[in-house]
Amino acid sequence: ETGVTQTPRHLVMGMTNKKSLKCEQHLGHNAMYWYKQSAKKPLELMFVYSLEERVENNSVPSRFSPECPNSSHLFLHLHTLQPEDSALYLCASSPTGAWGTYGYTFGSGTRLTVV
Amino acid sequence: AQKITQTQPGMFVQEKEAVTLDCTYDTSDQSYGLFWYKQPSSGEMIFLIYQGSYDEQNATEGRYSLNFQKARKSANLVISASQLGDSAMYFCAMREGETGNQFYFGTGTSLTVIP
Repeated sequence: ETGVTQTPRHLVMGMTNKKSLKCEQHLGHNAMYWYKQSAKKPLELMFVYSLEERVENNSVPSRFSPECPNSSHLFLHLHTLQPEDSALYLCASSPTGAWGTYGYTFGSGTRLTVV
Repeated sequence: AQKITQTQPGMFVQEKEAVTLDCTYDTSDQSYGLFWYKQPSSGEMIFLIYQGSYDEQNATEGRYSLNFQKARKSANLVISASQLGDSAMYFCAMREGETGNQFYFGTGTSLTVIP
């Protein structure tokens, strides 16, 4: 049990579908993140929520829409995706404020395939 | 410019031997943190070790140690006494400043431990 749970683990969707990815943490962390991991590329930060407010949006296309209803839950709503959006989507959480030795705690990811 | 550079896409090591995974970083901040993560085939990113920019001693966590050479801006991971379960992707990451939300990741090194 990692402390950060992502569902579903695998998702296949057509380009016209609408689906959502879910992330849940009960570590008492106040910041949550969505990262995209594509083959042979560094992890790409998509969105950051701190204390339930979106504090960063790294020029992500509008077909990705995040939602953070509370500090324990984070969603990524998907619609009209493209095949190049196929990737592993990782959710992470962390404490806010001074970091010290804290890194992220990651979930196991959702492997998304767009057909 | 890349913030984190990992130049070894793939590495092989004999079981019970030590292996060094290279990482160089680029920052003008005086305060930063360096992290290593392990990603097995299951997808989850597992935190291994942390080194702060002001730490004078190299970090160690069990069989993991971080060879921190500040002047050269390198933060190599050393795994001693490799085990078959160490086969995974390894990512170097950096957080700039004390409270920044974003981590910068390298492209990763795939480590295979040979029996």
